[in-house]
Amino acid sequence: AQKVTQAQTEISVVEKEDVTLDCVYETRDTTYYLFWYKQPPSGELVFLIRRNSFDEQNEISGRYSWNFQKSTSSFNFTITASQVVDSAVYFCALSDTSNYQLIWGAGTKLIIKP
Amino acid sequence: GAGVSQSPSNKVTEKGKDVELRCDPISGHTALYWYRQSLGQGLEFLIYFQGNSAPDKSGLPSDRFSAERTGGSVSTLTIQRTQQEDSAVYLCASSLAHGQGKADTQYFGPGTRLTVL
Repeated sequence: AQKVTQAQTEISVVEKEDVTLDCVYETRDTTYYLFWYKQPPSGELVFLIRRNSFDEQNEISGRYSWNFQKSTSSFNFTITASQVVDSAVYFCALSDTSNYQLIWGAGTKLIIKP
Repeated sequence: GAGVSQSPSNKVTEKGKDVELRCDPISGHTALYWYRQSLGQGLEFLIYFQGNSAPDKSGLPSDRFSAERTGGSVSTLTIQRTQQEDSAVYLCASSLAHGQGKADTQYFGPGTRLTVL
């Protein structure tokens, strides 16, 4: 069965600290996609990144970076030099090509204190 | 371009009344999804539309819930005889397609916050 685990329910750090959000997934499929979404207090889900199972290169976008490791079934998300505006709930999700439903993690609430 | 839009943004209704929630997907997106998110919870899949195919209604929690998609574009989610447990944020998403070896990114609307008194 497919499953996404975000073990960190809530993380609180002081501004400018680096923070890593963990995501561990389970799937039997060889072709699958992983996603991260951000949900700020306003409520709208904002797409951050999509990665397919054949691309294990890490990705960096500004202060955001993602570490995809198939060997440990993890797709972790790091925010460098965090800012108050990064405060949100972050969701990791999994999709395979046969089932259009996204399998969602429970989300990690990130609190950045000034 | 315009993103996914939903209306109304907020809806307060009395128990037992019917409500309709509307979703306008991104132009050109053939796949449309409805989700429900209760306070502090993750997303619960409700229904999926893909082109002209029959929708996947497997996530609808009861027969009081129904949805339609007219002309392959706008979708309406209807909840009949609302109950207090229906109170949640209803999110709509659209994507280019799914299947054929791809899983396109779902883009979400701002949601409709439904409160049943």
